[in-house]
This record gives sequence, C-alpha cells and structure tokens, in this order.
Amino acid sequence: GNSVTQMEGPVTLSEEAFLTINCTYTATGYPSLFWYVQYPGEGLQLLLKATKADDKGSNKGFEATYRKETTSFHLEKGSVQVSDSAVYFCALENTGGFKTIFGAGTRLFVKA
Amino acid sequence: SQTIHQWPATLVQPVGSPLSLECTVEGTSNPNLYWYRQAAGRGLQLLFYSVGIGQISSEVPQNLSASRPQDRQFILSSKKLLLSDSGFYLCAWGASAGDSGANVLTFGAGSRLTVL
Repeated sequence: GNSVTQMEGPVTLSEEAFLTINCTYTATGYPSLFWYVQYPGEGLQLLLKATKADDKGSNKGFEATYRKETTSFHLEKGSVQVSDSAVYFCALENTGGFKTIFGAGTRLFVKA
Repeated sequence: SQTIHQWPATLVQPVGSPLSLECTVEGTSNPNLYWYRQAAGRGLQLLFYSVGIGQISSEVPQNLSASRPQDRQFILSSKKLLLSDSGFYLCAWGASAGDSGANVLTFGAGSRLTVL
C-alpha cells in the first residue's frame, strides 16, 4: 500500500541555518505530494504541494521538488527563523484522490 | 469563506464510556470529510473518510465508528472507550485545488481525548 517515510526528529537548528527534512514515499500511479505544518497549539495547515514529477512547490521560503526517480519530496529552506519552529508532515494523496496519507512528522526547533 | 468547527476541544472520559466528537463545515457543499488521530510520537493516522452523505470508508479496524448524517456534518463515535483511544483527533475537509485536482485538506483545531 501507499506509505510516507520522513526523517525522525527532533531537528534543532540555529537561526539562519539551512534546513532539509527528508521525505520518501511508496505509491502506485502518480500521487500528489504535500507538506503540512503544525505550529504549537494549532491544527495542521498546508505549506506547499506538487502534483506531478519535477514540479516544485514553494511557500514562505520553503521549497520541495517532486522527484519520481528517487520517490522523494524533501523539504528545504535556505535560512530558518525562530518562527519556523513547528512539526512538519509530508503527505501523499493516492491517484484518484480522496485519501491522504501522512508521515510521522518531524519536529523542528529553531533557536535564536 | 469556508470554516470547519470541531468540538469538544478537550474531553476526559473513563474507560468503557461512550464517545461522540462532532465536526461541521461551513461555506462549501459536498466536501470530502476525514477523521485523523494524532497519537504521541506516532504521527497522523487516517481513521475514516467520507465522500458523501452516508458513505463512510474505514481505514483502521477498531472500536470507533463514523457517521455523516448531513452533507457538512461528520461524527466520530465509540460505544466503549479503551485506554488506547487517547489521542488528538483531527477533522478535516478536502477540496480540489485548481486544475491539478489535488485534494488539499483544511483541518479543524482538534479534540484532545484522554481516557482514564
């Protein structure tokens, strides 16, 4: 079945450091891929998405590229801020829609 | 604009008691609706999803059930709670995002259930 694997956290970085959170997936067909973010005390919200191979999703300085050859969708940001501290979830939607599967989440701490 | 309401926000229940969590969506029609559980250290687990009134798909066999009595109402229930049912329950609705057809989820604020 479909699955999403993302790097375990927590990840602790200093402000302005480079961020990478790895995400790989297993799926049949051509899933859509997402990154959701959960800030402390809040529900999840969409951060970015990509719907086909080689698409790059971007938002708030974060980027992720849909790599079908490596079945990956790694999240990157060139310079993190304290306000980026949150839990980040990689997710995929199965071909045909309706069902979204999430990874276990990666907690990011950014210290000033 | 679309909004999603989920209640109660927190709940403490004894083992063996019943459960009812309610979720309603405003500002959209015929949404796809979802219940997820977020257990400590275990990420987000899809429990149920619904693509229409009375249509429920169950992802994980357990003592929970879901119902969709109205287009924009989704209810999570249990007749007898177990300790393992403790967790953070999130309701979400999905809508296609533009031409891509990708189903973007919007989540409620969540309901924290503690079973003692």
